[in-house]
Order: sequence, then C-alpha cells, then structure tokens
Amino acid sequence: ILNVEQSPQSLHVQEGDSTNFTCSFPSSNFYALHWYRWETAKSPEALFVMTLNGDEKKKGRISATLNTKEGYSYLYIKGSQPEDSATYLCAFIRSSNTGKLIFGQGTTLQVKP
Amino acid sequence: SQTIHQWPATLVQPVGSPLSLECTVEGTSNPNLYWYRQAAGRGLQLLFYSVGIGQISSEVPQNLSASRPQDRQFILSSKKLLLSDSGFYLCAAGRLGGTGELFFGEGSRLTVL
Repeated sequence: ILNVEQSPQSLHVQEGDSTNFTCSFPSSNFYALHWYRWETAKSPEALFVMTLNGDEKKKGRISATLNTKEGYSYLYIKGSQPEDSATYLCAFIRSSNTGKLIFGQGTTLQVKP
Repeated sequence: SQTIHQWPATLVQPVGSPLSLECTVEGTSNPNLYWYRQAAGRGLQLLFYSVGIGQISSEVPQNLSASRPQDRQFILSSKKLLLSDSGFYLCAAGRLGGTGELFFGEGSRLTVL
C-alpha cells in the first residue's frame, strides 16, 4: 500500500503571511511527484511536476522543493492572498511507471483578507 | 492542451440502480486515463486507471467497474449502486508514462439515496 501523507490537513492564515505545507511519500522507487491546486467549484490544476532529487520549482509566489531520499516535498506560498485559498494536493508515482498517481488527502488553505 | 469532458455533472440515483459516467478526452492521443473519487472529507482515491484501449487496472475492491472502448473514452459503471458509492467522481488524463501533469474533468457528483 502506497501512503502519501500531507500536513497540515487545514490552515488558516492572514493575507500577506507566508506559509508552507508538507507532502510525505515512500522514498523507495521514486518516479515523480505532482502538486495540484483545487479551488472550490473548479477542477484540480497542476502546479508542478517534479522528478529529480533536489528539484526546486517556482511559479510566481508559489515554490516547491523535493527530497526523494527522505521522501518529502514542501510547497511554499510567499505573501498569501485570498485567491490562494484552495486545497493543495500532492500525488506520487513509483518507478514501476505504470502511470498510477496516488494522491494525498490534501491541505486546505484559507487566506483571510 | 487537453480538454476532458465528463458527464453527467450531477446525478441522484436510488440504491440498486445502475450507473454510467462517461469521460472523453480531446487534444491528445493514447493518454493514461484515470477515475478518482473524493468521498466527503477525504482526498482523491484512485479507483481505476488505464494505459490503453481495453486495459483497466482496478485499485480497490468495490462495486464499480471501468471500461475503455476507445482511445479517448473512459466509462465508469455499476450494475447496482450502494449508498457508499455516493461521492464526487473525477476523470483525468495524463501523458503515457506519468511524468506529465494530469488534466481533470469538471467532475460528477453522485448521490445515492
């Protein structure tokens, strides 16, 4: 059984605060890790696809790091805005490369103006 | 880019009735296809995935089945719905091999009464 764990489960911050969440995954046979943002009443949208240990990716105020040896990824949001409010999901693929993505349960972020 | 069409958007069905949710993909060929379910208060649970026509992998024992009769068509079915089948179902498509991001449909909310 592949377990992908995300923490915290939910987070409430004030506008302008910076925040980060964690995704933990099995460290053996790593293939790829994805981050998605899921806004209410919309479909999940991809933020990052990460494949190499030590990868750091950035999109605007959002960035992510990857440590495949210890099995975790961090997602950072700098200067949170109300429009960042969403559920952030990570998904893991093993090197057997079946294309099977296993999602964590998500971190729900609420940014108060 | 890929577009995922999923229908119906909302469905209310009695226990014991059949189910058919359909998903079609535009803008790519030979994608990996996925059915996920989000039960209340939980993350995305992988139900089925397919790497090609007629190739279906089931992730959890359940009352549901999936079929892929054409390259860009993925169908989720049940012969007799259970109360526990209620939830939000998402179809997704990705690049063969799994390193590319997933594109999601808009989801189908199923309520079994």
